[in-house]
Amino acid sequence: GQSLEQPSEVTAVEGAIVQINCTYQTSGFYGLSWYQQHDGGAPTFLSYNALDGLEETGRFSSFLSRSDSYGYLLLQELQMKDSASYFCAVRGGNQGGKLIFGQGTELSVKP
Amino acid sequence: ETGVTQSPTHLIKTRGQQVTLRCSSQSGHNTVSWYQQALGQGPQFIFQYYREEENGRGNFPPRFSGLQFPNYSSELNVNALELDDSALYLCASSPRDRGHTGELFFGEGSRLTVL
Repeated sequence: GQSLEQPSEVTAVEGAIVQINCTYQTSGFYGLSWYQQHDGGAPTFLSYNALDGLEETGRFSSFLSRSDSYGYLLLQELQMKDSASYFCAVRGGNQGGKLIFGQGTELSVKP
Repeated sequence: ETGVTQSPTHLIKTRGQQVTLRCSSQSGHNTVSWYQQALGQGPQFIFQYYREEENGRGNFPPRFSGLQFPNYSSELNVNALELDDSALYLCASSPRDRGHTGELFFGEGSRLTVL
């Protein structure tokens, strides 16, 4: 089977840096994605790692270690609008539209 | 804005009824997938459609069915509704090659309440 684990909630203050970890167990690995979701709205794609290393997109970075079945999302210069749920997800096979999501991490950014 | 639109946004049904949810994919996206998201959980894959055929299915019973039309829009049908079907139903589209980057474009969802 396939499963992903991530912390259920994280709290940080404005301007800080926060790291959200994700460990996964999959039968076959095609890449790790991160999504942001505000208040049950549309999940929004943030980043994707297929190979080991760090991918940077503005204030957000994502890291992958395939040997450790581990990745993280790093959010820098936190803003109040970053308060949301963050999901890691792996592809469920060679069908591009099938993602297996973690349970989500609720990030609260305090002033 | 992802360009993916879903209707209706909210609906209430009673146990045993049937429901049809609709999704218009982003222009040029030929792959549509449907997800169920219960409160406080991550989205769960229901199935995917490509070229009007089901192309992958998650762990959902046959009373969950779907269609994809020539314009790539899609429907999700759920028969014999159960209380546990209460959830946010998300539609996601992608061009077939972009889906391999893990990037899906989600709609805002249809929130179904079953009483």
